[in-house]
Amino acid sequence: AQSVTQLDSHVSVSEGTPVLLRCNYSSSYSPSLFWYVQHPNKGLQLLLKYTSAATLVKGINGFEAEFKKSETSFHLTKPSAHMSDAAEYFCVVSDKAAGNKLTFGGGTRVLVKP
Amino acid sequence: NAGVMQNPRHLVRRRGQEARLRCSPMKGHSHVYWYRQLPEEGLKFMVYLQKENIIDESGMPKERFSAEFPKEGPSILRIQQVVRGDSAAYFCASSPSQDAYNEQFFGPGTRLTVL
Repeated sequence: AQSVTQLDSHVSVSEGTPVLLRCNYSSSYSPSLFWYVQHPNKGLQLLLKYTSAATLVKGINGFEAEFKKSETSFHLTKPSAHMSDAAEYFCVVSDKAAGNKLTFGGGTRVLVKP
Repeated sequence: NAGVMQNPRHLVRRRGQEARLRCSPMKGHSHVYWYRQLPEEGLKFMVYLQKENIIDESGMPKERFSAEFPKEGPSILRIQQVVRGDSAAYFCASSPSQDAYNEQFFGPGTRLTVL
């Protein structure tokens, strides 16, 4: 069975400082991993995805994530936070055993202070 | 190319009424998924459909909930005799194939409030 744990439910950063959102996963097969962002009262937007190619994945808006199989992690980073990055972020896993079903982490809410 | 469309965006029902949520997938997508997001929680998978077929309904409550994706028209998630605990945001997503590597594209959601 697949599962995702987001280690921080809330992260607070100052504008211009780095952002780190931590995610660990469990999967029986080679997983696909995604990060989605949800702004208040909006739908979900894909930031980036890992699908067994390069382990360092670059996404939109300056975000990137590194797949580390030995640590079963897929942490999301951004070198410099912007006010518009304030949102909720979801780490998501999908694997063959689960069909095309996505399993979401509990989410990390990011607050950006001016 | 329009994205995934859901309507209504907001729906208010009294306990015991029926709620019908609609989802039109992206053009060319024949795979539809429904997820529920309870307040302060992540999204939970409910059901996966292809045209005229339910592929996986392992996340659907056993009673009162049903889903369909007819040959023509949008996918419908139907909740009969709603209760307060059904209040949530319901998201629909679509993808072009069953490949687990494919991104699922999400709609804006329907926020259901049960009074």
